[in-house]
Amino acid sequence: QQQVKQSPQSLIVQKGGISIINCAYENTAFDYFPWYQQFPGKGPALLIAIRPDVSEKKEGRFTISFNKSAKQFSLHIMDSQPGDSATYFCAADGATTGTASKLTFGTGTRLQVTL
Amino acid sequence: NAGVTQTPKFRILKIGQSMTLQCAQDMNHNYMYWYRQDPGMGLKLIYYSVGAGITDKGEVPNGYNVSRSTTEDFPLRLELAAPSQTSVYFCASSPYNEQFFGPGTRLTVL
Repeated sequence: QQQVKQSPQSLIVQKGGISIINCAYENTAFDYFPWYQQFPGKGPALLIAIRPDVSEKKEGRFTISFNKSAKQFSLHIMDSQPGDSATYFCAADGATTGTASKLTFGTGTRLQVTL
Repeated sequence: NAGVTQTPKFRILKIGQSMTLQCAQDMNHNYMYWYRQDPGMGLKLIYYSVGAGITDKGEVPNGYNVSRSTTEDFPLRLELAAPSQTSVYFCASSPYNEQFFGPGTRLTVL
């Protein structure tokens, strides 16, 4: 069964601190690893994504670190802000050319950034 | 562009009733998806479609049906609603990898 395991389930970080969320996968056919951000009452929205040909991708305060040999990837939020308080989902996809993209989601991490 | 729209936003059903959750997108995406989101469980894929007239089952299809007669619309049908179908339902569309989600429908079955 394809699974993506995410931890921690919840996280409290002080303003200005670093938030780190981890995910691990089993299926070596996965080749696309996005992170989605979800605010209460809203649908998830793509935050940042990486493919396994690079070990790190940075967009502003958000960085994905990817370890192919360990089958793990993580989201780092630098200088965390109260506006970052949301639920974060990692996901993985192994669609090949001509097949449908189907994301397998982690169970989510509820991040709270305190003042 | 409105993106992905879903109706209704909220609905309460009685056990055994049926209903259709509506989903529409105006981005001309080929791929569309239905997910359910339960607390602490992430998002589970119910059904997906790769284009008009083509649908396939996801991870948790039992108790649901879909159709896709146009590129824009992808309704989800619940027949004989059960309490286990109490959840938040999200529709998404995608040009390929990135998925764009609607605002969700919160369904309660009593």
